[in-house]
Amino acid sequence: NAGVTQTPKFRVLKTGQSMTLLCAQDMNHEYMYWYRQDPGMGLRLIHYSVGEGTTAKGEVPDGYNVSRLKKQNFLLGLESAAPSQTSVYFCASKGLATSGGELFFGEGSRLTVL
Amino acid sequence: GENVEQHPSTLSVQEGDSAVIKCTYSDSASNYFPWYKQELGKRPQLIIDIRSNVGEKKDQRIAVTLNKTAKHFSLHITETQPEDSAVYFCAASFRDDKIIFGKGTRLHILP
Repeated sequence: NAGVTQTPKFRVLKTGQSMTLLCAQDMNHEYMYWYRQDPGMGLRLIHYSVGEGTTAKGEVPDGYNVSRLKKQNFLLGLESAAPSQTSVYFCASKGLATSGGELFFGEGSRLTVL
Repeated sequence: GENVEQHPSTLSVQEGDSAVIKCTYSDSASNYFPWYKQELGKRPQLIIDIRSNVGEKKDQRIAVTLNKTAKHFSLHITETQPEDSAVYFCAASFRDDKIIFGKGTRLHILP
């Protein structure tokens, strides 16, 4: 049981390049989230999904796109990377609950945009 | 809008003393408030949570209190130990389980 797996774990991009971060969970969770973590800024929500085929904007969605074609996967895309997108990205998932419930995080993906 | 404010950003306490971290949230409809601990280089992990129908919850040396009227909740750590040194995040669940985090508190336990 791997939990939440993020790939890749590290990536260096040049400004303007594109890339996709993959998050996979094997817990049959309904909800999935992408956060970015920057020093002093905490965990900021980029996009999230409440179920297969759905996505919704978080606090800082600009410059990112997401897709949830399969329940177990949540993809985060950067179409044209900018230095401001240098960050550590965390994916998280949680099961269906009346409200709330524990978020299970992946190990994080460190992205550097030059 | 949906917002969670967390204070202080840094906290230093002597080993054995208590630590208190405070958070406020913007939406009175929020009903779930978790706390996460993140050690250096690791992923955040849940340490305790509270739902809006409860005023206080304890788990050994950790407790969380909730004041719904004031839209305020706090984390209390008693008898602090070196392994409590970490960054702590509060969070609140908003509409559609949109989970927003505070900016974090870096807790230092001094020997």
